[in-house]
Amino acid sequence: AQSVTQLGSHVSVSEGALVLLRCNYSSSVPPYLFWYVQYPNQGLQLLLKYTTGATLVKGINGFEAEFKKSETSFHLTKPSAHMSDAAEYFCAVSDEGGSYIPTFGRGTSLIVHP
Amino acid sequence: EAQVTQNPRYLITVTGKKLTVTCSQNMNHEYMSWYRQDPGLGLRQIYYSMNVEVTDKGDVPEGYKVSRKEKRNFPLILESPSPNQTSLYFCASSLSFGLSGAADTQYFGPGTRLTVL
Repeated sequence: AQSVTQLGSHVSVSEGALVLLRCNYSSSVPPYLFWYVQYPNQGLQLLLKYTTGATLVKGINGFEAEFKKSETSFHLTKPSAHMSDAAEYFCAVSDEGGSYIPTFGRGTSLIVHP
Repeated sequence: EAQVTQNPRYLITVTGKKLTVTCSQNMNHEYMSWYRQDPGLGLRQIYYSMNVEVTDKGDVPEGYKVSRKEKRNFPLILESPSPNQTSLYFCASSLSFGLSGAADTQYFGPGTRLTVL
């Protein structure tokens, strides 16, 4: 069975600072990994995903994530935070091992201070 | 515009009064699902559907029903709502289910905030 752990329910950064949101997964077969973002009063939307190929994945709004198999991680980063990045971020994993259904982490709320 | 729509967006009701939250997608997606979002618990799947007339329980199905009579619609039914079903509900869809669908992006509706008094 697959699972996802997001370290830190809240992450606070200053505008212009590095954003790092952590995600670790477990999967018995090669995973597909996703980051979704939820802006206030909206549904989730895809930020980026890793399926196969290049392990560094670039997404929208300057975010990127790197799949590290040895560390079972898929951390999300952005070099310089903007006020508009304040949102809830969800990491998700799925695989071809049987259930095919994505499992979501509990989410990390990103707070950006002026 | 490709989208998932939900109605209503906000609903306040009383214990025991049956209600239905509608979900519709215009992308011809096979897979649809319902989640509830609660503080500290993230997203928990209620039910999902692999295609028309094919549904299955998610992680928290108690107190909910679904149906999938048409490909585009996937309503969530609460036959006798209780206060512990107060939550934010999301419908989602993706292109396919199964081996080829594991890498698909999930498209979410805007959410329905339900309060049961």
